[in-house]
Amino acid sequence: DAGVIQSPRHEVTEMGQEVTLRCKPISGHNSLFWYRQTMMRGLELLIYFNNNVPIDDSGMPEDRFSAKMPNASFSTLKIQPSEPRDSAVYFCASSPRGRGTEAFFGQGTRLTVV
Amino acid sequence: AQRVTQPEKLLSVFKGAPVELKCNYSYSGSPELFWYVQYSRQRLQLLLRHISRESIKGFTADLNKGETSFHLKKPFAQEEDSAMYYCALSGGAAGNKLTFGGGTRVLVKP
Repeated sequence: DAGVIQSPRHEVTEMGQEVTLRCKPISGHNSLFWYRQTMMRGLELLIYFNNNVPIDDSGMPEDRFSAKMPNASFSTLKIQPSEPRDSAVYFCASSPRGRGTEAFFGQGTRLTVV
Repeated sequence: AQRVTQPEKLLSVFKGAPVELKCNYSYSGSPELFWYVQYSRQRLQLLLRHISRESIKGFTADLNKGETSFHLKKPFAQEEDSAMYYCALSGGAAGNKLTFGGGTRVLVKP
């Protein structure tokens, strides 16, 4: 398995544009997490899914952010409209179901909104 | 609510010196604690977890439920230990909500 795959690796967009980040979790993993990493706040959990169902989206900053997981092998994080303060590295991670299991991270998407 | 606090943003030590990264947590249930590490230009990866009681790359961490702490220690730091370290807690109603602390950057000087 190639691990968790995120695309694109880098994204530069203008303020106001829609941005879609994509994630392919490891096959067989039941949980998927989206995180945002910044210098000021570290790793913030935005949302996580169990068996494709959103369980906790309390970390999603505002209505401009939305996430979907239409099937077990794909998830998207969308920002519409984007703002400069959304600039960060966005990570996707997946893990097998159950407490205490390791989460495997993707390479991240570095988003720059100008 | 579950929360993880890492009070130090940066730790700078000399090679061969001991290093300790502090982690405190708040959680009402029985948590699972982890340390993750991110080396330069690499993915975030698991370093160790408290249930394994293992030593990885010379690092150990003990869960202290009385002090709600899970500090990471290494007696003799190496230059290759320079990285970003995150303490994490797994819990929540679904059992696997994974929350991270703010991270500590470790710089080991020669």
